[in-house]
Amino acid sequence: AQSVTQLDSQVPVFEEAPVELRCNYSSSVSVYLFWYVQYPNQGLQLLLKYLSGSTLVKGINGFEAEFNKSQTSFHLRKPSVHISDTAEYFCAVSAPFSGGYNKLIFGAGTRLAVHP
Amino acid sequence: EAQVTQNPRYLITVTGKKLTVTCSQNMNHEYMSWYRQDPGLGLRQIYYSMNVEVTDKGDVPEGYKVSRKEKRNFPLILESPSPNQTSLYFCASSPALGSGETQYFGPGTRLLVL
Repeated sequence: AQSVTQLDSQVPVFEEAPVELRCNYSSSVSVYLFWYVQYPNQGLQLLLKYLSGSTLVKGINGFEAEFNKSQTSFHLRKPSVHISDTAEYFCAVSAPFSGGYNKLIFGAGTRLAVHP
Repeated sequence: EAQVTQNPRYLITVTGKKLTVTCSQNMNHEYMSWYRQDPGLGLRQIYYSMNVEVTDKGDVPEGYKVSRKEKRNFPLILESPSPNQTSLYFCASSPALGSGETQYFGPGTRLLVL
């Protein structure tokens, strides 16, 4: 079975500082990896995803993530955060599932709070 | 505008009173799914549908029903709601069933069962 662990439930940071949100996964097979963001009172939207190829993935709003297969990690980074980045961030894996399609398995989420 | 819509956005009800949360997508997506979001647990899948008239259970299906009579609609039905179904519910859709597909989420329905 697959699982996702987001190592920090809350991350406070000052505006313009760098941030890293950590995600580890467990799987006995190859997986695809996603980061979704949930702004206050909104649904989730895709930040970025890793399917194959380059292990450094760039997403929207200046975010990037690096897939590390040996450490089974997919940490999300941004070099300089803005107040508007305050949101909850979810790491997810897409794993093989019976019936020939994939199912998203989410981590518990990390609440990023950017302070002025 | 391409989107997933849910109604209602907020709902307060009492134990045992049947309710339906509607979900509609205008992107002609094959796959639709319902999730519930609870603090510290992330999102957990309730039910999903691969196409019209094809639905199956997710990880937490107890106490819920769904139907997919049209491609665009995927309502979530709580026949006899209980307080442990108080949660934030999201509907999502994706263009196809294959791995790596992005899921598009609705704005959420916040449900309180008294």
